[in-house]
Amino acid sequence: SQELEQSPQSLIVQEGKNLTINCTSSKTLYGLYWYKQKYGEGLIFLMMLQKGGEEKSHEKITAKLDEKKQQSSLHITASQPSHAGIYLCGAVHPPEGNNNDMRFGAGTRLTVKP
Amino acid sequence: DAGVTQSPTHLIKTRGQQVTLRCSPKSGHDTVSWYQQALGQGPQFIFQYYEEEERQRGNFPDRFSGHQFPNYSSELNVNALLLGDSALYLCASSPGQGITDTQYFGPGTRLTVL
Repeated sequence: SQELEQSPQSLIVQEGKNLTINCTSSKTLYGLYWYKQKYGEGLIFLMMLQKGGEEKSHEKITAKLDEKKQQSSLHITASQPSHAGIYLCGAVHPPEGNNNDMRFGAGTRLTVKP
Repeated sequence: DAGVTQSPTHLIKTRGQQVTLRCSPKSGHDTVSWYQQALGQGPQFIFQYYEEEERQRGNFPDRFSGHQFPNYSSELNVNALLLGDSALYLCASSPGQGITDTQYFGPGTRLTVL
C-alpha cells in the first residue's frame, strides 16, 4: 500500500474558488514537502513543514502539518489558472540514516477553469 | 544561478539496450538523488549520491547504477532495458543529506523503451 495517500486524486475548480488538498502518511512524519509539477516537467518546490502545528504560506498557498494525524493539507485561496498542475507531497524517510530521500504520494491533478 | 540541469531531454531506446542519463546539480549542492516517475504516479526514489558514493538506495534492481563525479555532477545508468523502464527520470540536488535539506529538481529526461 502507498505510504503517502493524497486526496482528492483530481480536482476541477472555477477560477476564484478556494480548495484544499490532503496528504496522509501511514508512517511518522519527520518532514513533509510540497511540490508542484506541470505535466511531464520537473518538480517545483513550494514549502517544507517539519514541526507539528507548523503552517507556512507563499502567496496564496498555505500548508499545514498535523503531526498527531500524520497529515498535511495544502490550501489555495482564490485559485487562478496559473495554479493548475499536479501537486505532490513528499515525506522524508524516517531518520534511520538521517537522510532526506523522499517517498511521494501519487499526486493531485488540479484544473482551474477560467 | 543555474538550477538543476539534465540531459538529454528525451531518449528512445529498444529493449535490451543500455542508457546513460546525466545531471548537473544546482550551484553549491553536493548531494544528488535520482527518481523514476511512471505516468500518473509520484516519483519513486532510486538512489542518492554524496561524496562520490551511493549512500541510500530505493527498491530498484542492480540494472540501475550510478556515479557521481568530483564536480558533484551525476550519471544514472540503466542496463538491459525493459519496456517497464519507460518513465520520466528526475534528478534532484540538495546542499546536504539532512532532513531539512530541500531537494531541487531538474526538468527530467523522458525515456521511452520500445
